[in-house]
Amino acid sequence: SQQGEEDPQALSIQEGENATMNCSYKTSINNLQWYRQNSGRGLVHLILIRSNEREKHSGRLRVTLDTSKKSSSLLITASRAADTASYFCATGGYSSASKIIFGSGTRLSIRP
Amino acid sequence: DTGVSQNPRHKITKRGQNVTFRCDPISEHNRLYWYRQTLGQGPEFLTYFQNEAQLEKSRLLSDRFSAERPKGSFSTLEIQRTEQGDSAMYLCASSGDSNYGYTFGSGTRLTVV
Repeated sequence: SQQGEEDPQALSIQEGENATMNCSYKTSINNLQWYRQNSGRGLVHLILIRSNEREKHSGRLRVTLDTSKKSSSLLITASRAADTASYFCATGGYSSASKIIFGSGTRLSIRP
Repeated sequence: DTGVSQNPRHKITKRGQNVTFRCDPISEHNRLYWYRQTLGQGPEFLTYFQNEAQLEKSRLLSDRFSAERPKGSFSTLEIQRTEQGDSAMYLCASSGDSNYGYTFGSGTRLTVV
């Protein structure tokens, strides 16, 4: 079963625009992570935000977390063609040994 | 160390045959995970090792599936009597700490014909 649900399922924007993807989840979490996957490849870890954090930045990426609404957002600023990929959120439980559970992903296409 | 390595990259097998995949994690990572991903979906958790101990198995992992991690280094995932529904990308990941993300391999794409 999948814990997170991304919204939208697909997003197409012009190069240079900002892209925002949302993730909602169901149960209490220890952390939430975002991953990128290029077609047919493995996943690349982008950013991890802990449950006691509200916002985190990494380069052109900005992640927010609202634990009261059980939701997170990923903002990619000044998008580039190379940002075309699927983006997944994944939630980690409270046990230090717990696995992360992925959502179904947002497919992002950047138009040149 | 160039990351998580998975072999083979692709495997085509006939229904009913057994297949085995290998994952070599980042050497200093003590946690190793197997996930399965079908087209258009997110990865689904299969099983997890901490060192050589298999700590959790998903209900997705039927009795035809077995995973091992002898000596806490590389891991193998075996599927016996493959079925067409087993066709998927099998992803391996490792991590050293629950406060950091996972490092994924490129996956093994299995096609059962």
